[in-house]
Amino acid sequence: DIVMTQSPDSLAVSLGERATINCKSSQSVLYSSNNKDYLAWYQQKPGQPPKLLIYWASTRESGVPDRFSGSGSGTDFTLTISSLQAEDVAIYYCQQYYSNPAFGQGTKVEIK
Amino acid sequence: EVQLVESGGGLVKPGGSLRLSCAASGFAFRNYSMNWVRQAPGKGLEWVSSISSNSRHIYYGDSLRGRFTISRDNAKNSLYLQINRLRAEDTAVYFCAKDREIIAAAGLDFDSWGQGTLVIVSS
Repeated sequence: DIVMTQSPDSLAVSLGERATINCKSSQSVLYSSNNKDYLAWYQQKPGQPPKLLIYWASTRESGVPDRFSGSGSGTDFTLTISSLQAEDVAIYYCQQYYSNPAFGQGTKVEIK
Repeated sequence: EVQLVESGGGLVKPGGSLRLSCAASGFAFRNYSMNWVRQAPGKGLEWVSSISSNSRHIYYGDSLRGRFTISRDNAKNSLYLQINRLRAEDTAVYFCAKDREIIAAAGLDFDSWGQGTLVIVSS
């Protein structure tokens, strides 16, 4: 099974500053046949279900603000919030769907 | 608007059984693979099971195979999860989630989620 590991477990960022979350998979999630990385990012706020932000590692879901961006390929991925807003306080999860789905342990983002 | 509404959770004694349901609306349910994901109190997300649109492809998390059974009824726009021999560690909110794309296999990324139903296993 593919294991997803996120870092850090939590981070505090000032409003308007950049937040960066890393995600590493135990094996590549890049499908050579279509050159796509089977990697998604979700945001979960307290008491709510997760919300899909990014799929194919870097494609923003419809309606997601452009301050959210995804990058990386193979085994190493990053979610960047370019200018943190108060409403971005949440836990963020990466998920691979190259094989049976698996989530990272989550990264809690707070305001400094 | 896509809506997914879970039901069937509650307090169950260890060793008991439950059948969770997810009522879907606002999209062509019969065309999409569907999934169950759970979240223990204060913990992260754990994928439980996926089922393809025609029920031909079914997958379970490694530690869950044998006690969990996923099924669907496309005529009723409904997804189900039968859980037997419940354990304390099954205590969690169970979410149903829809695959974002229409493809043959199941379990990709999930673009719509229900609010979840809480299962508590305790004596």
